[in-house]
Amino acid sequence: EPEVTQTPSHQVTQMGQEVILRCVPISNHLYFYWYRQILGQKVEFLVSFYNNEISEKSEIFDDQFSVERPDGSNFTLKIRSTKLEDSAMYFCASSRAREETQYFGPGTRLLVL
Amino acid sequence: AQTVTQSQPEMSVQEAETVTLSCTYDTSESDYYLFWYKQPPSRQMILVIRQEAYKQQNATENRFSVNFQKAAKSFSLKISDSQLGDAAMYFCAYRNYGGSQGNLIFGKGTKLSVKP
Repeated sequence: EPEVTQTPSHQVTQMGQEVILRCVPISNHLYFYWYRQILGQKVEFLVSFYNNEISEKSEIFDDQFSVERPDGSNFTLKIRSTKLEDSAMYFCASSRAREETQYFGPGTRLLVL
Repeated sequence: AQTVTQSQPEMSVQEAETVTLSCTYDTSESDYYLFWYKQPPSRQMILVIRQEAYKQQNATENRFSVNFQKAAKSFSLKISDSQLGDAAMYFCAYRNYGGSQGNLIFGKGTKLSVKP
C-alpha cells in the first residue's frame, strides 16, 4: 500500500541554523500539507500546497518557514533560522483531492538546541 | 472558527472489552468531515475512521464505529473487543467541506491504555 515517507526521522540542530525537512507524498496525490506537534500538545496545521503554490497557511507559518516542491516527488519544509520553540514533531500529509482523506507520514522529530 | 474538544485526557479499558472516546466540535458549517486518527508510541498518525456530515449512517471500520450526533455536534468513537495494539493517543479531527479551508483541526487527544 502506498504511503507518505519523511526524512530524516530525527534531526538535531543548533538555534539559528536552517533545516530542511523532506517528504515524499503518495504518488497520485495532488494536495500536500505540513503539520506540527509540540511534545504533549495537539497537532497544528502549518500550510497546504497545491498546484505548486501555497493554498492556505496558519499564523504559525511565518516568514521563517517556506515550502517547495523541487521535483515531481519531493515536498520540503524549510525553517530558515530555527528557534528553540520550533522543536516539535513535523508531519507531512497528502491527499488525492481536497475533499479526500489526508494520509500522514511517520514524522520528523526536530530538536533545536 | 471551528474547534474540537476531547474532554477525556486519558481512558483505560480491559482487553476484549468496549470503550467509547468522546469528541465534541463547534462549527457553523452544515457540511464537513470528521475523523479519528490514532497515534501509537511510534507517533505516526494513522486514520481510523472518517464520517461525512451529510451522511446519517454512522461509519464503521471493523471493531471501530462512531456515534455521530450532528445536532449535538458530537462524534464519539467506540472500540469493541479492545486489543493491546489499540493502546495509543486518539485524536478527533474536523475539516470543512468546500471553501478555502482544507486543513484538519485537531482536538487535544485521548490517551487510551489497554490492560491485559
